[in-house]
Amino acid sequence: KNQVEQSPQSLIILEGKNCTLQCNYTVSPFSNLRWYKQDTGRGPVSLTIMTFSENTKSNGRYTATLDADTKQSSLHITASQLSDSASYICVVSFNQAGTALIFGKGTTLSVSS
Amino acid sequence: DAGVIQSPRHEVTEMGQEVTLRCKPISGHDYLFWYRQTMMRGLELLIYFNNNVPIDDSGMPEDRFSAKMPNASFSTLKIQPSEPRDSAVYFCASSQRLGQKTYTGELFFGEGSRLTVL
Repeated sequence: KNQVEQSPQSLIILEGKNCTLQCNYTVSPFSNLRWYKQDTGRGPVSLTIMTFSENTKSNGRYTATLDADTKQSSLHITASQLSDSASYICVVSFNQAGTALIFGKGTTLSVSS
Repeated sequence: DAGVIQSPRHEVTEMGQEVTLRCKPISGHDYLFWYRQTMMRGLELLIYFNNNVPIDDSGMPEDRFSAKMPNASFSTLKIQPSEPRDSAVYFCASSQRLGQKTYTGELFFGEGSRLTVL
């Protein structure tokens, strides 16, 4: 069964600290893996898109890694800020066009001062 | 560009009433998607269009749900009659055509329409 599992379900960290969110998938065939950030009451916003051949991709303080052999991805947030408080959703695509996506349930991150 | 625009942002209605959600995709995007998000099930694809033509509506839960895209800049999702279990946030998203020079594969979401059916 095609699935995307994220952990932890929720996380609370202090401002300035680093954190890592995990994503395991069993999707086949695999085209690309995406991380989205969703602020409360807003739509998801794309952070990174990685294909099979990409191991690491950064977007500012966000760094995503992909291990296609073990079917695992992580999203590392450096020097967290209050504005990082959001839900982070891992999404795996069957095709390059992005018309066949499997969504994870997300990790809710709370950054406190 | 203003991004994907959805209306209304919030809708509260009574069971049995008709609900129409609207979406304006980003200009030049060829794909339009309707998603539903709930706490229990996360984001689920309902239907998507390519060049205004519905391609996959297998995610539409029941015949009470219908979607149209009369032109490249407008789409509607209609629920008739609405039921309490339809309460959710409905997102519209758009993306470029694979092969376009500026193609990034990115999916752009609107801010969503929060529907509450009493």
